[in-house]
Amino acid sequence: KNEVEQSPQNLTAQEGEFITINCSYSVGISALHWLQQHPGGGIVSLFMLSSGKKKHGRLIATINIQEKHSSLHITASHPRDSAVYICAVPYTGNQFYFGTGTSLTVIP
Amino acid sequence: DGGITQSPKYLFRKEGQNVTLSCEQNLNHDAMYWYRQDPGQGLRLIYYSQIVNDFQKGDIAEGYSVSREKKESFPLTVTSAQKNPTAFYLCASSRRPSGELFFGEGSRLTVL
Repeated sequence: KNEVEQSPQNLTAQEGEFITINCSYSVGISALHWLQQHPGGGIVSLFMLSSGKKKHGRLIATINIQEKHSSLHITASHPRDSAVYICAVPYTGNQFYFGTGTSLTVIP
Repeated sequence: DGGITQSPKYLFRKEGQNVTLSCEQNLNHDAMYWYRQDPGQGLRLIYYSQIVNDFQKGDIAEGYSVSREKKESFPLTVTSAQKNPTAFYLCASSRRPSGELFFGEGSRLTVL
């Protein structure tokens, strides 16, 4: 059993569509991280959140601690949003459980 | 600009050779990590270090070694004892435990 489960694994969308990526976890956490991995391989941190909602540009992340679930939304999707999105939760203070990622392709 | 620099980006090695991957950060972060990424799998922790001259094994440390002689540097050596070393390796750092992670661009190692 994976401590972090993401869905869907793969997602193809038309430019402009609203996108939702889901993350469920089974451990108690202090915060949840959303990461973006570009085709070249580099990873950037998008959000770190412990409650409620955060917004950055067209990206919105929400978390429900009671249900152990988080979602990443992309509004007005664009081909440059094509990437792998990874959910991560910390444990034992200095380590993380990572999801296997959601591969998003946005078609013009 | 602050960040993490990994080198080399691509590396080819013959079986039986040790190779060292470089990771340097100028973010003044105490914590540094090495992860391995294989297709279809989540990132797996090889080693991490919370402070200079101290490091801890992660889930898949066998066949790897690290050092942390300087705060800025956390090199990873892939030894000949690693049975399946072909993978994508990512170095990361954070200011505090469980804090925001900053990643390098990764190093892709191929064993011929």
